Amino acid sequence: SAVISQKPSRDICQRGTSLTIQCQVDSQVTMMFWYRQQPGQSLTLIATANQGSEATYESGFVIDKFPISRPNLTFSTLTVSNMSPEDSSIYLCSGLPGLAGGDEQFFGPGTRLTVL
Amino acid sequence: AQKITQTQPGMFVQEKEAVTLDCTYDTSDPSYGLFWYKQPSSGEMIFLIYQGSYDQQNATEGRYSLNFQKARKSANLVISASQLGDSAMYFCAMREEFNYGQNFVFGPGTRLSVLP
Repeated sequence: SAVISQKPSRDICQRGTSLTIQCQVDSQVTMMFWYRQQPGQSLTLIATANQGSEATYESGFVIDKFPISRPNLTFSTLTVSNMSPEDSSIYLCSGLPGLAGGDEQFFGPGTRLTVL
Repeated sequence: AQKITQTQPGMFVQEKEAVTLDCTYDTSDPSYGLFWYKQPSSGEMIFLIYQGSYDQQNATEGRYSLNFQKARKSANLVISASQLGDSAMYFCAMREEFNYGQNFVFGPGTRLSVLP
């Protein structure tokens, strides 16, 4: 199965700054997603990264705060802008190889973000 | 309303015994998929098993089986012969298909602890 890498694996940032997280898949995938997982909680979908067009954001997430790029079928970035301590979380990238029913999402190792 | 419900925030099981983790879901979509993921303390999300809404038989993958009761909208995960390495968070997830694409939603998770 495909492998996803994320960079950085963790970071500690100051309030008001921005961080860009990179997600690289070792093979082409149909869909890519970005999730947030706050401590002790489940995964919350931030957005679907669309190749060559604007991402599709879930309710409660906006492009100005979480701009996303997906220039090709194997790479995507998520930026967390103007960070506050409430943005401290694990950010996970995932890929979906195809649209067949049994295709499961596979996940990157996550980026653990702490905002001071 | 919650799309995925996992009523057991925490479960304990004795090593070598079987355990059932509950999952109920809510959808009006006739075509959907159900997934179980394992998240150990390292944070990675590991795909375990998949069940399609039209599948006639319950899915099995090694020690994992899915008790799919469509009329009750439940998709419980059964782990046989528990091992210490099974201690982790377990998430039930659902994929729904729409005209505009697919949507994935995760349940709140169940923390399983396997006792020696």
